[in-house]
Amino acid sequence: GNSVTQMEGPVTLSEEAFLTINCTYTATGYPSLFWYVQYPGEGLQLLLKATKADDKGSNKGFEATYRKETTSFHLEKGSVQVSDSAVYFCALSDRGNNDMRFGAGTRLTVKP
Amino acid sequence: DVKVTQSSRYLVKRTGEKVFLECVQDMDHENMFWYRQDPGLGLRLIYFSYDVKMKEKGDIPEGYSVSREKKERFSLILESASTNQTSMYLCASSFLPEAYGYTFGSGTRLTVV
Repeated sequence: GNSVTQMEGPVTLSEEAFLTINCTYTATGYPSLFWYVQYPGEGLQLLLKATKADDKGSNKGFEATYRKETTSFHLEKGSVQVSDSAVYFCALSDRGNNDMRFGAGTRLTVKP
Repeated sequence: DVKVTQSSRYLVKRTGEKVFLECVQDMDHENMFWYRQDPGLGLRLIYFSYDVKMKEKGDIPEGYSVSREKKERFSLILESASTNQTSMYLCASSFLPEAYGYTFGSGTRLTVV
């Protein structure tokens, strides 16, 4: 079945550091890939998405490229801020399946 | 913006009680979902619905049921609450998940004592 594996946290960085959170997936079809962010005490918010291979999703300085050859969708940001502290979830949705599969989440803490 | 509203942010219930968690969305989405979120386990799908009065079991339906009498409302029911159902419950809706992803509510943190 479809599944998502993302790097375990927690991740702690200093402000302005470079961020990478790794995400790999297993899917039988042609999935769309997503990153969601969850701030403390809130639900998940869609951060970015890519619906086909080689697409790059981007939003708020975050980027991720859909790599079919390595089945990966790693999240990157060039310079993190304290306000980026949150839990990040990688997810996939396969055409024909209405439900979405989520990774376990990676907690990011950015220190001033 | 699509809004998904969960009726309670925090809820405390006693073991054995029947518990209703309500979720309402305002953008005419066909698909609605209930997940629970637990530390170290991520999000696990309980039930989902792709149309009024339709429901499908997710990965962990045991101890839960759902109701979708109207398109905008999807209710999660804990028939007899137990302490192992203490969790964060997240509702989501979507028009076409693979194209647009989900819109989530703010979550209900349920404690069963």
